[in-house]
Amino acid sequence: DTAVSQTPKYLVTQMGNDKSIKCEQNLGHDTMYWYKQDSKKFLKIMFSYNNKELIINETVPNRFSPKSPDKAHLNLHINSLELGDSAVYFCASSQGAGNTIYFGEGSWLTVV
Amino acid sequence: AQSVAQPEDQVNVAEGNPLTVKCTYSVSGNPYLFWYVQYPNRGLQFLLKYITGDNLVKGSYGFEAEFNKSQTSFHLKKPSALVSDSALYFCAVRDRAGGGADGLTFGKGTHLIIQP
Repeated sequence: DTAVSQTPKYLVTQMGNDKSIKCEQNLGHDTMYWYKQDSKKFLKIMFSYNNKELIINETVPNRFSPKSPDKAHLNLHINSLELGDSAVYFCASSQGAGNTIYFGEGSWLTVV
Repeated sequence: AQSVAQPEDQVNVAEGNPLTVKCTYSVSGNPYLFWYVQYPNRGLQFLLKYITGDNLVKGSYGFEAEFNKSQTSFHLKKPSALVSDSALYFCAVRDRAGGGADGLTFGKGTHLIIQP
């Protein structure tokens, strides 16, 4: 069983479109995250949710909106996609401050 | 604010030789430290972490790392490199004083290339 799963893995879309990436974890963790990896492989946190409550919202355009329907799911919706949004988006989860954060396989978003 | 430095963009090692990937960190309090590996077109896989206790931490695939508080370092090591170890390695830190949902701050990554 995949611990953190996200869909789709690959997404090619045109500028201006709206798209969503879904994420689910079956580890029973109470915290979930979205990270962005840019073309230089740099990883930066975008959002974190703890028990469905938004905890971290880094400097991210408000075109990006996370939604957590329950503790096991954290979806990322992106409006009005721009070329600069092309990146790999990783979902992750953890339980507690010192515990390991487990990552999904990533969603490769290409905006054309 | 917390930060991680991985001073080497790339490390080249011959197969069978020992390897070291360097990492230094900066946090206001005491750190939790992690190493992850990323293979091409894959997600991040957890290798090992330092939480407390013994400064030498052993992890997956024969990797280990040594926490050095005075030097604020957490270098990744392996006694004998394999070609299959070739990948992108990330060091990450989390401040103990932060809450459980504050996530990790990552270094920029080091490409490890093991030559046959």
